[in-house]
Amino acid sequence: EVQLVESGGGMVQPGGSLRISCAASGFTFSTYSMNWVRQAPGKGLEWVSYITSTSRTINYADSVKGRFTISRDNANNSLYLQMNSLRAEDTAVYYCARDEGQQLPRNYYYYMDVWGKGTTVTVSS
Amino acid sequence: DVQMTQSPSSLSASVGDRVTITCRASQSISNYLNWYQQKPGKAPKLLIYAASSLQSGVPSRFTGSGSGTDFTLTISSLQPEDFAAYYCQQSYSTRYTFGLGTKLEIK
Repeated sequence: EVQLVESGGGMVQPGGSLRISCAASGFTFSTYSMNWVRQAPGKGLEWVSYITSTSRTINYADSVKGRFTISRDNANNSLYLQMNSLRAEDTAVYYCARDEGQQLPRNYYYYMDVWGKGTTVTVSS
Repeated sequence: DVQMTQSPSSLSASVGDRVTITCRASQSISNYLNWYQQKPGKAPKLLIYAASSLQSGVPSRFTGSGSGTDFTLTISSLQPEDFAAYYCQQSYSTRYTFGLGTKLEIK
């Protein structure tokens, strides 16, 4: 079964750090790009970060750039998000999501087809 | 970054109704547009990719259309399990962005 399981969430004080993880199983993790997406309480989805299979290309949302670092360990089928200088507005459920691509007649298209259940990060004093 | 604007933000409808949700991009994104459904306390689920391609296992009452800047998600005959939040997402750039969502509620 294709599965993503996030872990490492918790409560942290403003200005603090936390690293969350995502364990992949049931597919060849090393061949897929991956994403982190978050959802603040009662709010919509916000894309956070993207990493290609080889870690060659990494992107961040402006809201986390310079504070968060995405990384991966293909040998251990794991994705990570190191979060520093945390703020109250970073409080959210954090999901990891697989980036799938498909060739259609005119172009190659990408979408997030497998999601974990999420891990909750709370930033509060 | 490409900004995505969804409307309406909420919608009340009845079982059996036909509903349409609209998503507009701040620039042309060709058909690099995906739709997701999210139920309370659950992870999002992919419904439509490439604007109009139905993800495997998704009922055919869901259809997507559009290209350029304007897109729609239509549910032809609402079922009880369709009451949820819906989000569009552009994949034109790998600095992905989501719309703010549409909450579909039972009338």
